[in-house]
Amino acid sequence: AAGVIQSPRHLIKEKRETATLKCYPIPRHDTVYWYQQGPGQDPQFLISFYEKMQSDKGSIPDRFSAQQFSDYHSELNMSSLELGDSALYFCASRGGGLKDTQYFGPGTRLTVL
Amino acid sequence: QKEVEQDPGPLSVPEGAIVSLNCTYSNSAFQYFMWYRQYSRKGPELLMYTYSSGNKEDGRFTAQVDKSSKYISLFIRDSQPSDSATYLCAMNAAGGGNKLTFGTGTQLKVEL
Repeated sequence: AAGVIQSPRHLIKEKRETATLKCYPIPRHDTVYWYQQGPGQDPQFLISFYEKMQSDKGSIPDRFSAQQFSDYHSELNMSSLELGDSALYFCASRGGGLKDTQYFGPGTRLTVL
Repeated sequence: QKEVEQDPGPLSVPEGAIVSLNCTYSNSAFQYFMWYRQYSRKGPELLMYTYSSGNKEDGRFTAQVDKSSKYISLFIRDSQPSDSATYLCAMNAAGGGNKLTFGTGTQLKVEL
């Protein structure tokens, strides 16, 4: 079965640079979630989109922005990167069923030097 | 205090043992409960998903929810070395579409 696809899988950036992470949800899933997982920590919710509209917002820094496109893929844009942004970034997608749940992608490991 | 509490372990058991993993939560709005398995540097993999009190079984895994006590459990029977991973409980409020709140994860090692 098709899963959530994330790219790139690994990304190395310098401080103050920008990064763009991409997420391709499971086909026919209309909701996308972004989570950040620091070393040894649980995933923390950043932001979500439903039908291309922002549906919920968590602890996402103002330096980050995201959007969902007409084909339902999503991009997380990160600017003025800081050392503390180094983490695993997961995307999850969810189908339209009321009781459906979230399926996670493999993640993008971002390292800020 | 975190909304979801989970013993981080590590938990080490011999192969074939029954493993019990637990989470408690404080937010009574949580209605949907999940267990994810995460191998090192990989994405969380959904193991169990339930939205009612009681037990749900899937192969060697049983998820148990007690909403009155705000307590959920995952039991793994006949544990295998391949079960060695971090197990995360997660939950969200009614409607199912909201953000997931995770426990800190329990690191499990199943030894030969």
